[in-house]
Amino acid sequence: EAGVAQSPRYKIIEKRQSVAFWCNPISGHATLYWYQQILGQGPKLLIQFQNNGVVDDSQLPKDRFSAERLKGVDSTLKIQPAKLEDSAVYLCASSPYRGTGELFFGEGSRLTVL
Amino acid sequence: GQQVMQIPQYQHVQEGEDFTTYCNSSTTLSNIQWYKQRPGGHPVFLIQLVKSGEVKKQKRLTFQFGEAKKNSSLHITATQTTDVGTYFCASYSGGGADGLTFGKGTHLIIQP
Repeated sequence: EAGVAQSPRYKIIEKRQSVAFWCNPISGHATLYWYQQILGQGPKLLIQFQNNGVVDDSQLPKDRFSAERLKGVDSTLKIQPAKLEDSAVYLCASSPYRGTGELFFGEGSRLTVL
Repeated sequence: GQQVMQIPQYQHVQEGEDFTTYCNSSTTLSNIQWYKQRPGGHPVFLIQLVKSGEVKKQKRLTFQFGEAKKNSSLHITATQTTDVGTYFCASYSGGGADGLTFGKGTHLIIQP
């Protein structure tokens, strides 16, 4: 079974530029999450989707971050404009269930903002 | 979401020594999960505990969920170099916002 796919693996941009990350969850997983992990810290939930609907985006900085999952399968997370403090690994995770069970994480997309 | 606090933040051990990390919450948790993240890797699920006082074992790893469901621990017996990484506890928030909230993790460093 294929795992969670993410791209790109690495991205370096200058502040005020934009960037987009893509995630393809495990087939059949209705729940998809985007997490931000700053170096040395635990993953922080940014947004949770159930199929193509947003369940929770309370910690998403909506003035610069946006995310969508239009067809209920793959998802895109965008940052525009990027700030220095956005440097982090952006992890996508999926689960077949909502509110219970393990999360399956992708390899992550490492963003460096200069 | 529910806050889970982990201690210690860092733990240095000699290979062969035991290791324990603790996870605490001020509120009752519906469940607790543990993940391991190798350096440069992504979090990988280890286990989920649901019942009060539950104890589960995976080879050299022992997981416990407190009687009051407010704390949990992960104990590794006779650490090996392959145990290096960061161990996170995590819990579901419950209610309408049901994402998984992670602790800050315990970084395990093993000296051969």
